[in-house]
Amino acid sequence: DAGVIQSPRHEVTEMGQEVTLRCKPISGHDYLFWYRQTMMRGLELLIYFNNNVPIDDSGMPEDRFSAKMPNASFSTLKIQPSEPRDSAVYFCASSYRLGAYEQYFGPGTRLTVT
Amino acid sequence: DQQVKQNSPSLSVQEGRISILNCDYTNSMFDYFLWYKKYPAEGPTFLISISSIKDKNEDGRFTVFLNKSAKHLSLHIVPSQPGDSAVYFCAASEGNYGGATNKLIFGTGTLLAVQP
Repeated sequence: DAGVIQSPRHEVTEMGQEVTLRCKPISGHDYLFWYRQTMMRGLELLIYFNNNVPIDDSGMPEDRFSAKMPNASFSTLKIQPSEPRDSAVYFCASSYRLGAYEQYFGPGTRLTVT
Repeated sequence: DQQVKQNSPSLSVQEGRISILNCDYTNSMFDYFLWYKKYPAEGPTFLISISSIKDKNEDGRFTVFLNKSAKHLSLHIVPSQPGDSAVYFCAASEGNYGGATNKLIFGTGTLLAVQP
């Protein structure tokens, strides 16, 4: 299997622009997670899905952030409008069943908002 | 409020010696704990885990110890190797209380540098 795929790997954008991050989970995995990594807060869970349905979005920082999972093989995390404080590495991860705590992470998208 | 804390942002160890990485948690409902390892420009990868019904789990050079009364866990790497140099994240889950969940809460990470 190719593992979790994320695109783009790097994104540089100007404040106020819309940013869309993409993720393809491992085939057969029912759970998909979006995380943000910063020096101050480490790895923060933003939102997770089970069978394409959002289960917990309590980590989404503001209404500027939104996530969708239109099908089992694709998810997006959108920031609109972006701000410099959104600069971070965003990871997508998937796991294959309830109670399977081990999560498989993608390589991440490094977002820089100037 | 950080429910999982890694108070040492970095650690430097000589090759061949023991590395001890520490993690503290505040939520007594956590019942499953994991360590992840992360190299630069890569995503974290699972390393080792422990259930709250155990106090030790060993996998080769890696051992995780859990002290529930102190709400503390540690990862021991013996012997340390230069390839172990990475960021190590501690994570915890509420697991099966009130229904199983796959949600993990991560710490801020500890950067381990193993000197040749």
